[in-house]
Amino acid sequence: AQSVTQLDSQVPVFEEAPVELRCNYSSSVSVYLFWYVQYPNQGLQLLLKYLSGSTLVKGINGFEAEFNKSQTSFHLRKPSVHISDTAEYFCAMSSGGYQKVTFGIGTKLQVIP
Amino acid sequence: GAVVSQHPSWVICKSGTSVKIECRSLDFQATTMFWYRQFPKQSLMLMATSNEGSKATYEQGVEKDKFLINHASLTLSTLTVTSAHPEDSSFYICSGVPSGHYEQYFGPGTRLTVT
Repeated sequence: AQSVTQLDSQVPVFEEAPVELRCNYSSSVSVYLFWYVQYPNQGLQLLLKYLSGSTLVKGINGFEAEFNKSQTSFHLRKPSVHISDTAEYFCAMSSGGYQKVTFGIGTKLQVIP
Repeated sequence: GAVVSQHPSWVICKSGTSVKIECRSLDFQATTMFWYRQFPKQSLMLMATSNEGSKATYEQGVEKDKFLINHASLTLSTLTVTSAHPEDSSFYICSGVPSGHYEQYFGPGTRLTVT
């Protein structure tokens, strides 16, 4: 069975500090991986995606993620966060070439001034 | 980037009435759209996959007669909540996948409150 696990439900971090949001996945076939951000009362915005190729993926707003097949992880990082990064972040996976996506439960990033 | 709109963004209806939510892809054609439901402080729950010109595929536990989906064109899918009840109150989000892509692009969501 395919699944996505986000290990932290909430991550508080001070402004301008680095942050890592963790995501692990489980799948018996090849995967595509995504990170989405959701601001309050809004839909989801794609931050970045891994389809193939380089395992280090750069996205919008200064975020990046690294695909690690051996550890089945796709952690999201940012070297210096801003207040505006406060939001809910969802890791997601599609597998077997299908467009249907499995979401993690989300991680709430709280940036502290 | 690919843009998806939803209408209305917010709706209140009385118990027993029906509500229609529209999902439009504004700058791409979507043969497949997805409908999700999101409860407060929770992740997205896939309700159904909407395919243009064919019947929607519903996830296990989702009542197809209650949540009617129509994908009438390559840019429009609608979700109708029939005989709504207070427990149907939720945040409904749709998404579309442009041809040749694998990532979904999401609408801004519709907040449904049933009184």
